[in-house]
Formats: sequence, C-alpha cells, structure tokens
Amino acid sequence: RKEVEQDPGPFNVPEGATVAFNCTYSNSASQSFFWYRQDCRKEPKLLMSVYSSGNEDGRFTAQLNRASQYISLLIRDSKLSDSATYLCVVNGGNTGGFKTIFGAGTRLFVKA
Amino acid sequence: SAVISQKPSRDICQRGTSLTIQCQVDSQVTMMFWYRQQPGQSLTLIATANQGSEATYESGFVIDKFPISRPNLTFSTLTVSNMSPEDSSIYLCSVDPGQGAYNEQFFGPGTRLTVL
Repeated sequence: RKEVEQDPGPFNVPEGATVAFNCTYSNSASQSFFWYRQDCRKEPKLLMSVYSSGNEDGRFTAQLNRASQYISLLIRDSKLSDSATYLCVVNGGNTGGFKTIFGAGTRLFVKA
Repeated sequence: SAVISQKPSRDICQRGTSLTIQCQVDSQVTMMFWYRQQPGQSLTLIATANQGSEATYESGFVIDKFPISRPNLTFSTLTVSNMSPEDSSIYLCSVDPGQGAYNEQFFGPGTRLTVL
C-alpha cells in the first residue's frame, strides 16, 4: 500500500462545477498535511494547509479526518485557471526523523 | 517565504557523465531538500541536505550516486553521477524556512535532465 494515495484522475469538469479530491495516508503518526498545486512544467506550490477543524480559502475547502486517515479538497465554482495537478502531502510520523511524502497527484482539467 | 533559484534549468547529457545542480536560496534556512520527479510521477525525496554534515539519504538513494554538498545555509549542490537514461528526470531543490517542524516547503523551478 502506498503511504499517500490519491485518485490520479484526470477529472474533466465544466467551468462552474464543484469537484472534490480525496487522499488517504497510511501512517497514523503523521503530523501535518497540505495540498499543493503543480502546473504543467512548473514546481509545486502550496495551495493550503489542512487542519482537523477544516479550513476554507475562498473557493477551496480542505478537511482532515484523522480517525479515517483521510484528507479532502473541495473546489467550488471551478475556473479554467484551476486546471493543474493537485498533490496531497503528508509530513512527519517517523520517530527521530523528518519525512515528507507526496501523493502521485490528481489531475484536473476545467473546460469552458 | 523563500525564493529559490536552480542552475542549470535544463541539460542534455551523455550516459556515464556527471552533472552538478546548484540551488541558491535568498535567505538562510536550516532545512533544504532534494527531490526527483520522473515523467508523469510525483515527487520523491532523494535526501535532506545538512549544513556542516553529510546528507541524509532516503531509501533507494546513495551518496555515491547522488553526492550532495551544503557548504552554508543558503546554498547546496546535488550531483547526479555516472548517469544513465533512467536518471532522466526533473530534480527539484526545496526549503522549509519555517520555525518548528513540518511547515510549508518552497521549491526551486527545477532542473530538467535528459540522459542520452
């Protein structure tokens, strides 16, 4: 089983649609969680951190369920510019060490 | 935040040769990392570059193949040694400039390597 698993997609949605991405992680000791966005041929950039209480940034909402070891990202009112790969990232969980695990990413295509 | 530059941005190399990639950060950071992203894949951590000591390598990566230098808190190099076509990939430098553990990472623009 992969340490961080995501649905690779691609998700093809029309403008204005709501789309949800899911991610599961295997290490229950993991400590912090993020969603990154990676545009084609570009480096990843942080989209948002994910907290147990859930957090919202404009059209984006992230949720963490520690009991189920599950992270989600919801995008409302999709824009063409949202087309990218979304990476689920999980940090920590190793005794005495730092470990960051990137999911394989979920590709999103938003079409007019 | 942190601004990171990498050199070269891309290169095409012959098998058996070595390439050294440079990473420069605009501020002093403790945590600096090297990742590889193969075509269509996500990022895989190669190693953590430690200032003043040997890098910490992840499983599957060894110092002889990927020697790393970290002479100060703003600069690091990764060498890809004795290259083969399987080493064709994007190599990314990243830093965590935050206080405490497990913060946001900032990435350099990457070095796109093609080995013939």
